[in-house]
Amino acid sequence: EAGVAQSPRYKIIEKRQSVAFWCNPISGHATLYWYQQILGQGPKLLIQFQNNGVVDDSQLPKDRFSAERLKGVDSTLKIQPAKLEDSAVYLCASSLEGQTDYGYTFGSGTRLTVV
Amino acid sequence: AQSVAQPEDQVNVAEGNPLTVKCTYSVSGNPYLFWYVQYPNRGLQFLLKYITGDNLVKGSYGFEAEFNKSQTSFHLKKPSALVSDSALYFCAVRDMNTGGFKTIFGAGTRLFVKA
Repeated sequence: EAGVAQSPRYKIIEKRQSVAFWCNPISGHATLYWYQQILGQGPKLLIQFQNNGVVDDSQLPKDRFSAERLKGVDSTLKIQPAKLEDSAVYLCASSLEGQTDYGYTFGSGTRLTVV
Repeated sequence: AQSVAQPEDQVNVAEGNPLTVKCTYSVSGNPYLFWYVQYPNRGLQFLLKYITGDNLVKGSYGFEAEFNKSQTSFHLKKPSALVSDSALYFCAVRDMNTGGFKTIFGAGTRLFVKA
């Protein structure tokens, strides 16, 4: 089975610019997560989708971050405008359903550097 | 609120020796507990989980973890370390009694296995 696909792998932007990340989960996985992993820290959940609905976005900085999951499959995460502290690896993960006891499957992540 | 702590930033062990990576957690209800491993420039990979049942759970690559309810711990162990086990290890917890499915990750422990 194909894994979770993310693009781009790397992105360097200047502060105040905008950027978008894309994620394609494993086929059939209803739940999709975006995590932010700052260097030296564990992943922090930004947003969780169940199909195309948002389950939890309590830690998403909504003044600058937005995410959508059209048709319950692919998802995009956008930052506009970016700040220096947004430099991190953005990880997408998927699982079969919200109530599953399975572990997540993570993508390789997008490393964002804001200069 | 749920939380997870990994008290050691780094663990050093000689190849062939047993290894332990520590994790303690705090939840209000019953925990689901997970270990993930992250190799350089790779996404997180699921290692093992504890849901219920036997306190000793076995996972990928010869790793195992012991759930201790009284000590609220879920330490990762391996009887004989390999150089290839060198990576970043994350403990994660999900509180199944709060009605949500948010998984909280620890800050990570870097494991160095010396030949």
